[in-house]
Amino acid sequence: AQSVSQHNHHVILSEAASLELGCNYSYGGTVNLFWYVQYPGQHLQLLLKYFSGDPLVKGIKGFEAEFIKSKFSFNLRKPSVQWSDTAEYFCAVTNNAGNMLTFGGGTRLMVKP
Amino acid sequence: EPEVTQTPSHQVTQMGQEVILRCVPISNHLYFYWYRQILGQKVEFLVSFYNNEISEKSEIFDDQFSVERPDGSNFTLKIRSTKLEDSAMYFCASSDSRLLHFGDGTRLSIL
Repeated sequence: AQSVSQHNHHVILSEAASLELGCNYSYGGTVNLFWYVQYPGQHLQLLLKYFSGDPLVKGIKGFEAEFIKSKFSFNLRKPSVQWSDTAEYFCAVTNNAGNMLTFGGGTRLMVKP
Repeated sequence: EPEVTQTPSHQVTQMGQEVILRCVPISNHLYFYWYRQILGQKVEFLVSFYNNEISEKSEIFDDQFSVERPDGSNFTLKIRSTKLEDSAMYFCASSDSRLLHFGDGTRLSIL
């Protein structure tokens, strides 16, 4: 069975600080990896995805993530956060059949102005 | 950009009553899903639906739950005899292959 771990539950940063949110998954086969963001009171929105190819993927709003297969990791990064990045971030994985998306527990990010 | 829409946005129901949560997936999508998020917990997979039948379901999706695509546009989740622990945010999603698009969710409150 797939599982996803996000080790940081709450992160507080000041504006312009750099961000890295950890995500590790367990699954032996080929995976598709995602980061979703949920702004307060809103639905889940896709930030970026990895299916294959370049392991460094760039998403919306200046976010990027790196797939490191040997570490089963897909960490999310942003060089300089803004107050508007305050949200909850979810890492998710699905196998190549793509039928069941398994989410991590989420990381709540607060950016102080 | 096409969206997944869910109604109602908030549903309050007495324990033991039946509820139906409605979703209109993106029109050319073929795969449909329900997820839920209990307050303070992770988003959990409930069920996936393809070709007019359930393709996969989780342990949470027991006999209390059912899904239906009654017409060409709607995708519903029915919860029979609701329990307090069914209180959660329920998200519908649809996809054409591997990328899921989520609706805004229905907040279900069981009293």
